[in-house]
Amino acid sequence: AQSVTQPDIHITVSEGASLELRCNYSYGATPYLFWYVQSPGQGLQLLLKYFSGDTLVQGIKGFEAEFKRSQSSFNLRKPSVHWSDAAEYFCAVGARGDKLIFGTGTRLQVFP
Amino acid sequence: GAVVSQHPSWVICKSGTSVKIECRSLDFQATTMFWYRQFPKQSLMLMATSNEGSKATYEQGVEKDKFLINHASLTLSTLTVTSAHPEDSSFYICSASIASGGYNEQFFGPGTRLTVL
Repeated sequence: AQSVTQPDIHITVSEGASLELRCNYSYGATPYLFWYVQSPGQGLQLLLKYFSGDTLVQGIKGFEAEFKRSQSSFNLRKPSVHWSDAAEYFCAVGARGDKLIFGTGTRLQVFP
Repeated sequence: GAVVSQHPSWVICKSGTSVKIECRSLDFQATTMFWYRQFPKQSLMLMATSNEGSKATYEQGVEKDKFLINHASLTLSTLTVTSAHPEDSSFYICSASIASGGYNEQFFGPGTRLTVL
């Protein structure tokens, strides 16, 4: 069955520190992969996506993600976190019928 | 581009009443719209997929008579929660996609907070 796993429910980092949010997927075909960010009470904003090609994907707000087929992973990274990055982050895989299967999310807390 | 709006952004209603939520694609024509439900501190659960001019396809476990979806035009889809009860209180998010071949990316609305008293 198709699924997305985000192992870390909650991550806390200091401002200026590096960040890596983990995402593992289970999907039979070549996956379409996404990272979204959600601020409290808001909708989802697309950070980046992977459809094909270069496995290192650059997104908005200084985020990047690397697709590793051998590990079924699509981890999100940022070299230096800002306080405004505190939010909920969702990894998702695109499935048949253009549906999205979301992970359970990782809440990022940033300390000054 | 690719902006999706929702109205209202929040609504409070009494138990037993019906509530309509609108989802509009402002600068594009959406061939498909999706409705999600999100419980506090949880992920998004797909409720249904709707295509313009046809009946919505509901996910398993979603009551289609309770959550009525209408996709009357390429820019508007509505979700009506009928005879709402407190357990229907949730954050409802819509998205819209453009058919472009291959996988069609979804663009999300800002969400509607429904509270049923």
